[in-house]
Amino acid sequence: SAVISQKPSRDICQRGTSLTIQCQVDSQVTMMFWYRQQPGQSLTLIATANQGSEATYESGFVIDKFPISRPNLTFSTLTVSNMSPEDSSIYLCSVDVLRLEKGEQYFGPGTRLTVT
Amino acid sequence: QKEVEQNSGPLSVPEGAIASLNCTYSDRGSQSFFWYRQYSGKSPELIMFIYSNGDKEDGRFTAQLNKASQYVSLLIRDSQPSDSATYLCAVKGGSQGNLIFGKGTKLSVKP
Repeated sequence: SAVISQKPSRDICQRGTSLTIQCQVDSQVTMMFWYRQQPGQSLTLIATANQGSEATYESGFVIDKFPISRPNLTFSTLTVSNMSPEDSSIYLCSVDVLRLEKGEQYFGPGTRLTVT
Repeated sequence: QKEVEQNSGPLSVPEGAIASLNCTYSDRGSQSFFWYRQYSGKSPELIMFIYSNGDKEDGRFTAQLNKASQYVSLLIRDSQPSDSATYLCAVKGGSQGNLIFGKGTKLSVKP
């Protein structure tokens, strides 16, 4: 598996501000993903963080709202921009670890965001 | 639209019983299947993965896969109150190699 840390673990932010979430992995990984889990819901993919190129966004998510950086194979950031109360969610970083030629995905501890 | 369906529950079983959690998926080409356990306020924890038809056992957990029926299940033997959590079924099948999740089944194990 992989050891994944996220910062901050939680935050309360005001409407209209931005928050940058950091994800750090203890080993180099090719695939790194950002998911969102809204209250009482399952996980939805926001985007894949690609090292050395722009992130690949899922339908319904745009770069202006959720800019992502991936400067190397162990680190990524997700920014939630111009926040509204609808952005209140848990944001999760995950990595795909290859084992036996198959990928297993592990999650970081998450960032719980509340927008007031 | 690829989908993963789970019964949301809650599923309530007595301590020591077998808990059976079920999941169906829409994409017949899916190859990798995962079960995550998520305690309230925590992130998902990978507990089982299965790639081939049949059963895969790990301790008290058994994953079962039937690709012809597009069906995955998780059995928890000798259920304990500490098993009380939401169990998420996930299929690797997104366009980016990501997982597609079901809505999760909430399991409650009563002492």
